[in-house]
Amino acid sequence: DTGVSQDPRHKITKRGQNVTFRCDPISEHNRLYWYRQTLGQGPEFLTYFQNEAQLEKSRLLSDRFSAERPKGSFSTLEIQRTEQGDSAMYLCASSVRDNRPHFGPGTRLTVT
Amino acid sequence: GDSVTQMEGPVTLSEEAFLTINCTYTATGYPSLFWYVQYPGEGLQLLLKATKADDKGSNKGFEATYRKETTSFHLEKGSVQVSDSAVYFCASPGGDAGGTSYGKLTFGQGTILTVHP
Repeated sequence: DTGVSQDPRHKITKRGQNVTFRCDPISEHNRLYWYRQTLGQGPEFLTYFQNEAQLEKSRLLSDRFSAERPKGSFSTLEIQRTEQGDSAMYLCASSVRDNRPHFGPGTRLTVT
Repeated sequence: GDSVTQMEGPVTLSEEAFLTINCTYTATGYPSLFWYVQYPGEGLQLLLKATKADDKGSNKGFEATYRKETTSFHLEKGSVQVSDSAVYFCASPGGDAGGTSYGKLTFGQGTILTVHP
């Protein structure tokens, strides 16, 4: 069990640029979740996949956000035309079926 | 919808002091409840859980009792250590109609704990 990994750990970008984050779940975990955590707040659910199917999206996930998990393994989260309000920690988690999730260390995004 | 509320403000304690971090929830029914911990630079880790009313979760000297009368799940530790300094989150699973999802969690806002030697 190597744990959930996320890349990059930190990203600084200018407003209007596109960014993409990657999450590698624990192998054989069929569920993968994305959360966003802003400063001083708890994580907020964004979306989740079961294998390659995206089963649920929060209303927090605006049209500028898109997530994929093309082969049911790693996942990417892309934010287009970033805004300062997108600055946050983006957390990925994975689980076997509906068991408790294991969280990665997160990607901290700063939009200047 | 379901929600979790934690006590506001950071907590600063001296080593060996007693710790309480309050958590209350609102939900239909009696969901499982969790405490997660986030150490600096690390991912969220499950600290303890309780799956039904009157259950007590415990781990690493921390305890929390699921009290349905007060809809609370307060985190306690009798003697904190410097290594306990972290952010603590209370959480409950989100719900779809007729079920719960342990991966889709609703978190409180977090409580920063700092323990001084």
